[in-house]
Amino acid sequence: GNSVTQMEGPVTLSEEAFLTINCTYTATGYPSLFWYVQYPGEGLQLLLKATKADDKGSNKGFEATYRKETTSFHLEKGSVQVSDSAVYFCALRAPPGDSSYKLIFGSGTRLLVRP
Amino acid sequence: DGGITQSPKYLFRKEGQNVTLSCEQNLNHDAMYWYRQDPGQGLRLIYYSQIVNDFQKGDIAEGYSVSREKKESFPLTVTSAQKNPTAFYLCASSREAGGYNEQFFGPGTRLTVL
Repeated sequence: GNSVTQMEGPVTLSEEAFLTINCTYTATGYPSLFWYVQYPGEGLQLLLKATKADDKGSNKGFEATYRKETTSFHLEKGSVQVSDSAVYFCALRAPPGDSSYKLIFGSGTRLLVRP
Repeated sequence: DGGITQSPKYLFRKEGQNVTLSCEQNLNHDAMYWYRQDPGQGLRLIYYSQIVNDFQKGDIAEGYSVSREKKESFPLTVTSAQKNPTAFYLCASSREAGGYNEQFFGPGTRLTVL
């Protein structure tokens, strides 16, 4: 079946440090891949997405590249800020034609950025 | 502004009571979803609806019920049959169920059973 595995947190960084949050997936075909961010007490916000192999999603300085050969979608940011402190979720959606339209989420990775 | 609203933000329930969580969207989306989030875990799908008057069970539907009488509304009832209902509940919608459409989430309702 389809699944997503994320690195466990919390990840603690100093401001302006480089961020990588690993995400790997198991799926048949070519799923769509997403990163969502959740700030304390709030719902999820879509951060970026990629729908086919080698696509790079980017937003607000965050990037992730859809790597079919390594079944990965790692999230990166060159210089984190205190305001990036949140929980980050990697998710996949089965490709069109699959009757399951749900998003499958990783367990989330908490990021804490210290001033 | 278009978006998804959920109410209430916090909800307390006594054991044995049914409660209904509201979810409304004005995005004109066809598909709507309910997820449950437990501490330190990802989201799990409870129910989803691809179109008005139709819905399907997700991975953890036992003890929950939904209705989809209007396109913009997808209320979730947590029944007394749900053994461990304390959680954060998130509603989402997407333009349509198939294809590559991303899901947009509401702010969530935190349910606590007393």
